[in-house]
Parts: sequence; C-alpha cells; structure tokens
Amino acid sequence: QKEVEQNSGPLSVPEGAIASLNCTYSDRGSQSFFWYRQYSGKSPELIMSIYSNGDKEDGRFTAQLNKASQYVSLLIRDSQPSDSATYLCAVIATGTASKLTFGTGTRLQVTL
Amino acid sequence: GAGVSQSPSNKVTEKGKDVELRCDPISGHTALYWYRQSLGQGLEFLIYFQGNSAPDKSGLPSDRFSAERTGGSVSTLTIQRTQQEDSAVYLCASSKQGGGTEAFFGQGTRLTVV
Repeated sequence: QKEVEQNSGPLSVPEGAIASLNCTYSDRGSQSFFWYRQYSGKSPELIMSIYSNGDKEDGRFTAQLNKASQYVSLLIRDSQPSDSATYLCAVIATGTASKLTFGTGTRLQVTL
Repeated sequence: GAGVSQSPSNKVTEKGKDVELRCDPISGHTALYWYRQSLGQGLEFLIYFQGNSAPDKSGLPSDRFSAERTGGSVSTLTIQRTQQEDSAVYLCASSKQGGGTEAFFGQGTRLTVV
C-alpha cells in the first residue's frame, strides 16, 4: 500500500463547476497535509495546508480533512481553465522525522 | 533570497560525466528535500536533510548519487558517471522546520544526459 494515494485522472470538469480531488493516506498518526498545484513544465506550488479535522477555505479552494477515514480532499469552486494542472497531495507522517511524502498527483482538466 | 534558488536551470552533459546541482534554500529553513521528476511522472523522493540530523538517503537510486548540505544551508546533489536514465528535472524544496510547516520548491534543474 502506498503511503499517499491519488487517482491519476485526468479529471475533467466543465468551466464553472466544482472540481473535487481526493487523497488517502496510510499512516493514521499523520498530522500535516498539503495540496500543491503543478503546471506542466513548472515546479509544484503550495496552495493549501490543513492540520485539523474539518474544512479550511481560501478563496475558491476548500481543503477537507477527515482523520478517522484517513482522507484529505481539495474542492475547487467555479473551476477555470487556468486551474488545469496536476494537483499533488502531500503528507507528513509520524515517525518519518517530519519528512514530506507526495502522492503521484491528479491531473485536472477544466473544459470550456 | 526570497525563495528557493536552484542552479543551473538547465544542464546538458555527456554520458559518463559527473554533474553537481546546487540548491540554496530559503533563509532560516532547516529542512531541505531533493526530488526527481521524469517527464510525465510524479515526484521521486531522493534525500531529506533536517537540521543536524543524519540525512534520510533512502530515496537515492544508486551509489552514483550523493548529496551534502554544508553549514545547514546550501545543498549540492552530485551524480557521478551520469547515465541517460538520469535525465529528469531535479527539484529542491525547503521548509522552516521539519514538522507541520509548508515546504516551498525551487524552479528545478533540468538535466539532460546525451
């Protein structure tokens, strides 16, 4: 079992819709969770961090964390073509000396 | 500097040559990561430095790869006797402390072995 799992996609959503990206992790004791966006040919860019159960909103982005079910999700409201990118979930698991572990990413395509 | 700085941005080298890639983390960041990303693939963890602790080298793919971090700041990733399969983008990231804080990436070094 991979430490951090994501569906590779592509996830295709029409412009203006809500895009929902999901991530599961294996270490129940993980405490820190991050979402990065990576455009083709560019380096990953941090867009959200979440540390406690529940929702965290930042503009059109909402991160949701459910530690009991070991998943973290990212919702993008009013999706725009400029949101088309690969979204990487990252987790800091316990016992790893705080090492950041990434999922393989989900490719999002926002269509006109 | 304001962000993580990597140099060079691009490197073309001949098979069998050694290369050094440099990463200058954000000032005050104690944690530093190296990742490799081949075309169309995910991030491959290489090595992790955290303060004065022994580095986590578990991701280095072979003994041709090594990295050091001098004075807890600048890091150099060295690839000896480069092979064509080493061609990839090498990404460096740093964070303020190992636990719970965000990591920021440099722009990467694109390595091409011909």
